[in-house]
Amino acid sequence: EAQVTQNPRYLITVTGKKLTVTCSQNMNHEYMSWYRQDPGLGLRQIYYSMNVEVTDKGDVPEGYKVSRKEKRNFPLILESPSPNQTSLYFCASSPWPEVNEKLFFGSGTQLSVL
Amino acid sequence: AQSVTQPDIHITVSEGASLELRCNYSYGATPYLFWYVQSPGQGLQLLLKYFSGDTLVQGIKGFEAEFKRSQSSFNLRKPSVHWSDAAEYFCAVGDGNEKLTFGTGTRLTIIP
Repeated sequence: EAQVTQNPRYLITVTGKKLTVTCSQNMNHEYMSWYRQDPGLGLRQIYYSMNVEVTDKGDVPEGYKVSRKEKRNFPLILESPSPNQTSLYFCASSPWPEVNEKLFFGSGTQLSVL
Repeated sequence: AQSVTQPDIHITVSEGASLELRCNYSYGATPYLFWYVQSPGQGLQLLLKYFSGDTLVQGIKGFEAEFKRSQSSFNLRKPSVHWSDAAEYFCAVGDGNEKLTFGTGTRLTIIP
C-alpha cells in the first residue's frame, strides 16, 4: 500500500531535549516536505526537499533541521525544542514535477514540548 | 507572495442540506488551486484541484468547486451533506512547483 509513515504518532518531551520525528514513503517520490499545523494558522511549511541531498527552507524553518540522505526518508530534527514548537506535524511526499498535484500526507505527529 | 483566506472558521450544517465553503486567494499569475479534507486524527486528503480549463471542477465524495478569476475565489460546494463529511477543510494555492500555501481551514459540523 502506498503510504507516508510518520513516527511517533504522539510525543511529549521537555525543553532542550533533542528529538527526531521520522518520515518514510514507499512511493519512490522525489519531493518531500514537512508542515506544522496550529489552530487558526492552518498548515505552514517548515522544510522541503526536491531530491536526495537537496533541501530548502519553507515559511517557518527556525528551530528545525532536516536531512535527505535517502530518497525514502526525510527526518525532522529539533535540536533544542521549545514550547512554541508544540504542534501537529505532517510529512508529505509527491512525485516530481507533479508536486502540487499529487501530495500524499502522513497521519501526523502530535508534539508537546513542556 | 501567494496567500489564501478562508473567512469561515466553523460552519454547522444540517445533514442533507447544501454546503458552500469559501476560499479567496491572492496570486500574481494563474493559480493552481486545491481543496483538501482532514478527518479527525488523519492527514490531509485531496478533494479536488484546478489548474486550467473548465472553471467548475468535480472532486471525490460528491464535492465540486468553481474558480472565479474576477472574484479571486475557489468556493467548495456539495448539494447534500452527509454526517461523514464532518471534518476540517483546507483551501490551498500553489505556484505549480514546490510552493503550496494553505488557508487556515474551516471546520464543518453536521447536525442530524
